[in-house]
Amino acid sequence: GEDVEQSLFLSVREGDSSVINCTYTDSSSTYLYWYKQEPGAGLQLLTYIFSNMDMKQDQRLTVLLNKKDKHLSLRIADTQTGDSAIYFCAENSGGGADGLTFGKGTHLIIQP
Amino acid sequence: EAGVAQSPRYKIIEKRQSVAFWCNPISGHATLYWYQQILGQGPKLLIQFQNNGVVDDSQLPKDRFSAERLKGVDSTLKIQPAKLEDSAVYLCASSSSGRAGNTQYFGPGTRLTVL
Repeated sequence: GEDVEQSLFLSVREGDSSVINCTYTDSSSTYLYWYKQEPGAGLQLLTYIFSNMDMKQDQRLTVLLNKKDKHLSLRIADTQTGDSAIYFCAENSGGGADGLTFGKGTHLIIQP
Repeated sequence: EAGVAQSPRYKIIEKRQSVAFWCNPISGHATLYWYQQILGQGPKLLIQFQNNGVVDDSQLPKDRFSAERLKGVDSTLKIQPAKLEDSAVYLCASSSSGRAGNTQYFGPGTRLTVL
């Protein structure tokens, strides 16, 4: 079955870059997503990448996709205290049923 | 543009009781999803609607969970009877069409506690 794995915690210093990693098993994954969840809030889509791309950049965010290794990463440049949240990797495989399969989330902790 | 609305925001019930959650998607969004997020885990898809038809309910525990979207707009999710392990946040999301790459917009969720 489909599975998405992430490490549970990442601690970085304010101003440094954060790199959050994710691996997935479904080779038919069409789109891969990064969502952000702040305490008590819903999920906010940060960015997504189509499976035929290997990189996507959006301001401070860079997504790298290694389709051969089924590895996805999210790099946040110049990490700020407002970036403190849980980051979820998710995928879907297209077609009519496109519900997302999520990882367990990575807690990003910012040290001053 | 208004986002996805859900109510109630919080609900506490005893096991074996019934509970219902309501979702109003973004106007014009044909596809609606219900996810269950247990503490410490990522959301898990329960059911996907396209207009008022079910596209995917393979992970819905049908012996106790039911959902409907009668007029293709609002949706309700019901649990009857509730078990302790149903304690979770129930998230509703909508998208303009059920195709990969279409952004799913999430509501704030309903936090259910079953005692």
